[in-house]
Amino acid sequence: DIVMTQGALPNPVPSGESASITCQSSKSLLHSNGKTYLNWYLQRPGQSPQFLIYWMSTRASGVSDRFSGSGSGTDFTLKISRVEAEDVGVYYCQQDLEFPLTFGSGTKLEIK
Amino acid sequence: EVQLVESGGGLVQPGRSLKLSCAASGFTFSNYYMAWVRQAPTKGLEWVASITNSGGSTYYRDSVKGRFTISRDNAKSTLYLQMDSLRSEDTATYYCTREGYGDYFDYWGQGVMVTVSS
Repeated sequence: DIVMTQGALPNPVPSGESASITCQSSKSLLHSNGKTYLNWYLQRPGQSPQFLIYWMSTRASGVSDRFSGSGSGTDFTLKISRVEAEDVGVYYCQQDLEFPLTFGSGTKLEIK
Repeated sequence: EVQLVESGGGLVQPGRSLKLSCAASGFTFSNYYMAWVRQAPTKGLEWVASITNSGGSTYYRDSVKGRFTISRDNAKSTLYLQMDSLRSEDTATYYCTREGYGDYFDYWGQGVMVTVSS
């Protein structure tokens, strides 16, 4: 199974500052078709997860351009620019290169 | 508007069965793969099972293989998860999800709680 490892944030993050969340995979998620099969989600307190980014860097419909994804085959970053109160929650990375589909353990974002 | 509404959760004894349902609306159900993702209390997300749009292929995590069955009724736009031989470690909120063009989860239901306890 592909293991996804997420880093922690130096919480709380001051409002208006940027936050970068890291995720590492135990196997390259770069497919021969050129796509990198890494996705990001946000789970706000008490809510269902919501979809943010797919194929490492493509924002889902309706997602603010303050969210951006980048990385290589095994090391990934979700950057949140100008953090706001509504960004609070737990962020998860997930690989969909192969079954079983696996998630990182989550990174909590708190805002000051 | 895409909507996924789960039902069928509850308290069940170890070894017993439960069947979850997910009513989908707002999109052409038969065009999409679907999946169940669960979250144990205070824990992270865990993929459980996926099914192709026709229902012809299914995929499971090892820990539920042989005990859980994912299925769908495209005429009713409904996804199911039959859970047999339930264990305490199956206790979780179960989310119905739609899969996008990859195996990512672009829409989620509100979740349904399953508690396995004597």
